[in-house]
Formats: sequence, C-alpha cells, structure tokens
Amino acid sequence: ETGVTQSPTHLIKTRGQQVTLRCSSQSGHNTVSWYQQALGQGPQFIFQYYREEENGRGNFPPRFSGLQFPNYSSELNVNALELDDSALYLCASSLLESPSGHTFGSGTRLTVV
Amino acid sequence: KQEVTQIPAALSVPEGENLVLNCSFTDSAIYNLQWFRQDPGKGLTSLLLIQSSQREQTSGRLNASLDKSSGRSTLYIAASQPGDSATYLCAVKDNAGNMLTFGGGTRLMVKP
Repeated sequence: ETGVTQSPTHLIKTRGQQVTLRCSSQSGHNTVSWYQQALGQGPQFIFQYYREEENGRGNFPPRFSGLQFPNYSSELNVNALELDDSALYLCASSLLESPSGHTFGSGTRLTVV
Repeated sequence: KQEVTQIPAALSVPEGENLVLNCSFTDSAIYNLQWFRQDPGKGLTSLLLIQSSQREQTSGRLNASLDKSSGRSTLYIAASQPGDSATYLCAVKDNAGNMLTFGGGTRLMVKP
C-alpha cells in the first residue's frame, strides 16, 4: 500500500503571496486532514476533508482553504501569506469512522520572508 | 475543548536506560490515542495506537498504556538506544470528531 505523499518538500515565499501545497492520501483512505506545526510545538489542526467537503475546521482564518479531489488527494491553499505562516505543514489521511489511526506524510516546510 | 500536555518537554538519558514519557488529556471522551515519533524536520511516524477500550499496546521495545478515567497515557521505552533520539508526540482523537489534538511533544536524546 502506498503511503501519504506531499509536495513540494520545501518552499520559500514572500509575504503577501499565495501558496498551494499538495497531498496524496494513502490507498484505501477517504479522509484528508491538514496540520500546521510551528518550530518546537505540536501540530495544530487546520481542517479536514471528506467526500470533497470540509468536515471540520480548527482555529485558522479563511485565507487558509482547501480542496479534496475524487481520488481523495487534497490541496491546501494559503492566501496573503504572513511571516507567522512559516511552519511545517503536515497532511494526514485516515478512514472516517474507523478505529484505524492517521497516517502522516513527510510534510512541506514553508518559509515566508 | 480537549487539551493535551506532555511531560517532560525534553529528556536526556544515557544509552541502555528504561524511560517513561507522559501524556495527559483533559477530556476523557476519547476514541483513541496515538503515539508518534518525529525526527528533526520530518513527518510523523506512527508508533502505537490504543483504542479507548484498550489498556495497553506493545511493539518491540515500546509499550504504551492508557488510563482513560484519569486522562493519562504513558510510553515506555525499554533499553534505550541512540537511534531512539527524536521527538515523541501523543495525539488523541475525540468521540466527537475525526481530528487529532496533539501534545507539545517530548524531545528525547539518548547519549552513547
């Protein structure tokens, strides 16, 4: 079974720009979640997608948005980038309403300058 | 709102020691609890998953316990090795949703 893959691995953007991060979920999983991890902290939940609809959202502003595609892959879009958006962005896939756990990708390191 | 705390934040031990990492959570209505390992700048690797009905799970030198009523989980690492050096994160999945709430992690260094 294939795991969760994320692209790109690293990215440098300028304040005010927009960025799109991509995630391919693990085979057999139908739910994708995105997390933001600042340096030295635990990951924070951004939002989750199930059946191409947002299925829960953390305390993040609307400039953080996402998509899920029919093949369960997903995108995270961030508009009007701020310096504090610099972080490791993690994607996790899972099977909704299943006792199985979450499988995480290797993350995208975003630096905003 | 679920809150997860991990103690200690950092730990340095000599090789060969047995050690315990602690995780506490405020809302006992959890669906499961997952322990992860994270190497610097990398993603999360799942170590153990404990369902709310279970008391413990074991994998090799790792053993995780869960006491839901007291809101605690421990990760026991036997005979630690330098390769165990990493950050260990616990995360709970609540009954009410499919999201994970993470602790801040314990940064472990095992010295040769």
